[in-house]
Amino acid sequence: QQQVKQSPQSLIVQKGGIPIINCAYENTAFDYFPWYQQFPGKGPALLIAIRPDVSEKKEGRFTISFNKSAKQFSLHIMDSQPGDSATYFCAANWGGSARQLTFGSGTQLTVLP
Amino acid sequence: DAGVTQSPTHLIKTRGQQVTLRCSPKSGHDTVSWYQQALGQGPQFIFQYYEEEERQRGNFPDRFSGHQFPNYSSELNVNALLLGDSALYLCASSLVAAGELFFGEGSRLTVL
Repeated sequence: QQQVKQSPQSLIVQKGGIPIINCAYENTAFDYFPWYQQFPGKGPALLIAIRPDVSEKKEGRFTISFNKSAKQFSLHIMDSQPGDSATYFCAANWGGSARQLTFGSGTQLTVLP
Repeated sequence: DAGVTQSPTHLIKTRGQQVTLRCSPKSGHDTVSWYQQALGQGPQFIFQYYEEEERQRGNFPDRFSGHQFPNYSSELNVNALLLGDSALYLCASSLVAAGELFFGEGSRLTVL
């Protein structure tokens, strides 16, 4: 019930491409869906987050699409750059008012120059 | 403005030993959460501290305990270490329990 399933495990795109990472969840009590970016040797950093009352959110080159009925959400990276090469994690919040995040297993993105 | 700082960055222990990891939250933050990240996996929530009390706890045994000090810094203690405890331990801070999480770079624990 608390799982968040993330795919694909790894992704390689050319510079300028639009990588898409998908996540699915089961627990309808989740109320906050963030995406994190993690570089080797660093902690995760928040990229963008969405709540279930919104179907899409854009911040710069990053877009979250949210499908509440399908219990799925995805991250799109427009005009991807080699500097975007990192591991991306989707997450979902449960635990009411506390930030108790359940993370997906991660997607290792490589953007080729 | 210092972000979340953790110490030590790396440490090696043997099975059965005990370990203490430390975290200083981002300036102005009052809530600290701890996560365990196994190699190649996403972080898993251990517990959250606010006002010096454990407010939320994930699915971790009692061998994992913590503390928050009046200055909001925090410690994670793990007793009777197992090989499976080898992981990156991440501290995250926020302003109030539901605020945006800021993660530190983690403490990498290796249990031999």
